[in-house]
Amino acid sequence: AQSVAQPEDQVNVAEGNPLTVKCTYSVSGNPYLFWYVQYPNRGLQFLLKYITGDNLVKGSYGFEAEFNKSQTSFHLKKPSALVSDSALYFCAVRDLPPNDYKLSFGAGTTVTVRA
Amino acid sequence: NAGVTQTPKFRVLKTGQSMTLLCAQDMNHEYMYWYRQDPGMGLRLIHYSVGEGTTAKGEVPDGYNVSRLKKQNFLLGLESAAPSQTSVYFCASSPLAGDYNEQFFGPGTRLTVL
Repeated sequence: AQSVAQPEDQVNVAEGNPLTVKCTYSVSGNPYLFWYVQYPNRGLQFLLKYITGDNLVKGSYGFEAEFNKSQTSFHLKKPSALVSDSALYFCAVRDLPPNDYKLSFGAGTTVTVRA
Repeated sequence: NAGVTQTPKFRVLKTGQSMTLLCAQDMNHEYMYWYRQDPGMGLRLIHYSVGEGTTAKGEVPDGYNVSRLKKQNFLLGLESAAPSQTSVYFCASSPLAGDYNEQFFGPGTRLTVL
């Protein structure tokens, strides 16, 4: 089965510093990977996705993610974090056809950016 | 364009009571999903639907039922609530899977079962 893992429950960074949220995947075939963000008391919002092509994917709010096939990773990055980036981040992977409309989510990583 | 909406936002039930959560989307999406979110466990799929009149079981379907009589609505029912069903419930929708489109989420319903 397709799955993702987020090895860090929490990430703490100072405002202005680089932010990295880690995700590793385990799939059969080509991976289709997503990042979502959840702000307090809100639903999940889509940030970016990797389907194919460039290994560096750019998304919303200045976030980007690097797909690394040899390390089976899809880490989310932001060059300069903001306090407003404090949220819960989820990595997700699509299931295999014919169920490729379904997503499997990681456990989530809580990001705290201190002023 | 409201996207995905959920009703109610909060609810407290006593063990054994029943309730229905309503999800509505105005994006004409084919697929709809119900998830539950529990601390440290990410989102787990309860039930889903691939079109009007269809439903299917997800990862954790026990204790829940669903219906999709209209394309825009997806209802989640709890017939006899249990404390283990205390959670935050999210509805999501997505268009046809061909372009690997993302899912769009509602704001969630926080349910407490006493």
